[in-house]
Amino acid sequence: GQSLEQPSEVTAVEGAIVQINCTYQTSGFYGLSWYQQHDGGAPTFLSYNALDGLEETGRFSSFLSRSDSYGYLLLQELQMKDSASYFCAASYSGAGSYQLTFGKGTKLSVIP
Amino acid sequence: NAGVTQTPKFRVLKTGQSMTLLCAQDMNHEYMYWYRQDPGMGLRLIHYSVGEGTTAKGEVPDGYNVSRLKKQNFLLGLESAAPSQTSVYFCASSYSIGNQPQHFGDGTRLSIL
Repeated sequence: GQSLEQPSEVTAVEGAIVQINCTYQTSGFYGLSWYQQHDGGAPTFLSYNALDGLEETGRFSSFLSRSDSYGYLLLQELQMKDSASYFCAASYSGAGSYQLTFGKGTKLSVIP
Repeated sequence: NAGVTQTPKFRVLKTGQSMTLLCAQDMNHEYMYWYRQDPGMGLRLIHYSVGEGTTAKGEVPDGYNVSRLKKQNFLLGLESAAPSQTSVYFCASSYSIGNQPQHFGDGTRLSIL
């Protein structure tokens, strides 16, 4: 199956900027999503990139480079409430089927 | 607006027992999904449905069955539970596949002894 690679843990200071990278396999790929999940909670959608470039939503931005099979999530002006796990998820299609494959998640700890 | 509702929230089963997890959405979404989440493994797609009366296999379908008799409901069944199926199960729905976000329920924490 398809697999995604993202760092397992990241620590950053409140008010700083952090970037979480994600690499994916290209066969059948058509888009990259990002989800946030707080401990014990449900994943919530943050952003989606189908084309190369940057998508900005408030303090969060997501970037995709299809030629490099790479994307990242950028979190600015970090707040304590941003401490959570962040998952990249790649959409794949082919032979009439569909698959959304999640990475294993990056646990972000924001410290004072 | 409830969004995606999963029942039950917690359940403990003995090996070999069967049960059905229920998922209901009130957003009129065509697409529905069942995932399992294990520590360090992220979310893995079990089965999904692209509309009423249709189902398809995801990444880890073995040991599970699903049904989508009504557009708003997606049921996940375990016919003979095994300890390896101890996990947190999430249901999700979306308007379409692709750039449409998936909306997740709060999860069902299932332990199989």
